[in-house]
Amino acid sequence: DTGVSQDPRHKITKRGQNVTFRCDPISEHNRLYWYRQTLGQGPEFLTYFQNEAQLEKSRLLSDRFSAERPKGSFSTLEIQRTEQGDSAMYLCASSYGQGVDSPLHFGNGTRLTVT
Amino acid sequence: DQQVKQNSPSLSVQEGRISILNCDYTNSMFDYFLWYKKYPAEGPTFLISISSIKDKNEDGRFTVFLNKSAKHLSLHIVPSQPGDSAVYFCAASPSRGGFKTIFGAGTRLFVKA
Repeated sequence: DTGVSQDPRHKITKRGQNVTFRCDPISEHNRLYWYRQTLGQGPEFLTYFQNEAQLEKSRLLSDRFSAERPKGSFSTLEIQRTEQGDSAMYLCASSYGQGVDSPLHFGNGTRLTVT
Repeated sequence: DQQVKQNSPSLSVQEGRISILNCDYTNSMFDYFLWYKKYPAEGPTFLISISSIKDKNEDGRFTVFLNKSAKHLSLHIVPSQPGDSAVYFCAASPSRGGFKTIFGAGTRLFVKA
């Protein structure tokens, strides 16, 4: 168990630019989640995958956000035309199981700063 | 629409004493509840969980209590240690409609030596 890996750890970009983050889950985990966390708040659900299928997206996820999980392995989260309000910590998590009782294993996040 | 609420942003406790962190939820579809602990510059790590069919779950110094009728859960840490100083998130998952986990805003625990 090497844990959930996220890359990069930090990203500074100018408003209007596109950014892409990568997440490598724990290898045997079939579910992968993206969350966003801002200062003083808990992780906020964005989207999740079961294997390669994206099963749910938050209403908070605008059309500028897109996530993929090709072949059910790693995942990417892309933000197009970044805005200052996109500045946050983006957390990836994975879990294994068929039911609801599967705790999430989080990576250390990618901190995005939009200037 | 805050479905999971942690109304205390911070809590300070003396080493050796009990820490009690509280959490309320509004969605009756939640049936699996978890506590996560977060240190600075790290992602949250799973601490303890409880299913809605139970009212108590214990793991070493950590005990979670669930009161379904009040839609309230609490985490007890006994005895508290300085290494327990962290942000604690309460979280909940529904039994239907997907497997997403909803988090509270967190409570920062300070354990003083």
